[in-house]
Amino acid sequence: SQQGEEDPQALSIQEGENATMNCSYKTSINNLQWYRQNSGRGLVHLILIRSNEREKHSGRLRVTLDTSKKSSSLLITASRAADTASYFCATPRGNNRLAFGKGNQVVVIP
Amino acid sequence: DTGVSQDPRHKITKRGQNVTFRCDPISEHNRLYWYRQTLGQGPEFLTYFQNEAQLEKSRLLSDRFSAERPKGSFSTLEIQRTEQGDSAMYLCASRGLRDGLNTEAFFGQGTRLTVV
Repeated sequence: SQQGEEDPQALSIQEGENATMNCSYKTSINNLQWYRQNSGRGLVHLILIRSNEREKHSGRLRVTLDTSKKSSSLLITASRAADTASYFCATPRGNNRLAFGKGNQVVVIP
Repeated sequence: DTGVSQDPRHKITKRGQNVTFRCDPISEHNRLYWYRQTLGQGPEFLTYFQNEAQLEKSRLLSDRFSAERPKGSFSTLEIQRTEQGDSAMYLCASRGLRDGLNTEAFFGQGTRLTVV
């Protein structure tokens, strides 16, 4: 089965609220990555967290990683309409190819 | 060179026709990946090149699919005798080295294939 499987969700939130989404995986990893995809477009790398890190911040993004539970979360604080997108977590496999989950669709209502 | 380029952005073809997509990676990136993404799903790995060598192919890559990267720069993905099930977004990504470490994957905008 594919690693990097989000709890498939569709979130609809008001602008200014926080959005949280989760991801679980099945085997040992070196790192976990989060990507954003706007409708019909390519994926944009957001943040990478290594297996020896528990939390990482990048701007309004906060990622946590719990290797004991094999799970990660992505928090977007003070959401904006431009954050409307699908968010995918991904874990590296052989040759550094990525295994993606099904994604979380986030809609931020202005 | 500001990113990964894919051409065409959209392709509509009749079932049974052949199609070819092109990907131009970031110029200094030696690793190139093709993925396929269907509606509501995450991307699925198809194949991987390091320079001109095709080092890995997914079982999703049936014998109707072929990919090349002849000079270790741009890559093409050809689908022969297209089927409706081939309708998807085909994404290309490249990776390089930064300070001796692998960079993240940089994705192109994708080619949306519709087989009618």
